[in-house]
Amino acid sequence: RKEVEQDPGPFNVPEGATVAFNCTYSNSASQSFFWYRQDCRKEPKLLMSVYSSGNEDGRFTAQLNRASQYISLLIRDSKLSDSATYLCVVPPSGTYKYIFGTGTRLKVLA
Amino acid sequence: NAGVTQTPKFRILKIGQSMTLQCTQDMNHNYMYWYRQDPGMGLKLIYYSVGAGITDKGEVPNGYNVSRSTTEDFPLRLELAAPSQTSVYFCASSTQGLEQFFGPGTRLTVL
Repeated sequence: RKEVEQDPGPFNVPEGATVAFNCTYSNSASQSFFWYRQDCRKEPKLLMSVYSSGNEDGRFTAQLNRASQYISLLIRDSKLSDSATYLCVVPPSGTYKYIFGTGTRLKVLA
Repeated sequence: NAGVTQTPKFRILKIGQSMTLQCTQDMNHNYMYWYRQDPGMGLKLIYYSVGAGITDKGEVPNGYNVSRSTTEDFPLRLELAAPSQTSVYFCASSTQGLEQFFGPGTRLTVL
């Protein structure tokens, strides 16, 4: 099993829709996670941190399910500007290496 | 704060040429990383450093070298460029376990 797995998509959704992505991870000792956003040919930027209680920031909600070892990202009222690739990231646990998923591509259509 | 800066933004090299990709951060982070990202693919770790004078290999270190003489700077050296090194290179820094901050990237083409 890969350390971090994401559905590559693309998820094509109309403006205003709600969309959710999942990310599964293999290390049960991982305590926190990140969702990053990467626009085409740009650097990844932090979208949200995810801890045991989850996190909400405006239209974005992140949840952690420890029992099933996945984190989710929910985007409500999708905007055209939400079109990007969303990366799931597991920070170091006993090492110095961040584990990046390959990303889920979202296209919001007018 | 500039965050993480990288130079150059773009570069075209001929096979066998050498170059150094520069990376500087002004956040006093101990941890610095070099990644490469091929088109449509995920990030692959080339080298990382946990502090000045300490570096270690990542997943794909062959063909690259790094040094870390100061907290701020983490240059990546390509000695004999090959077409397989055509990629986008991102430098990142962090405090242990916390958010990584990325530079804007260097787009390298080797012909």
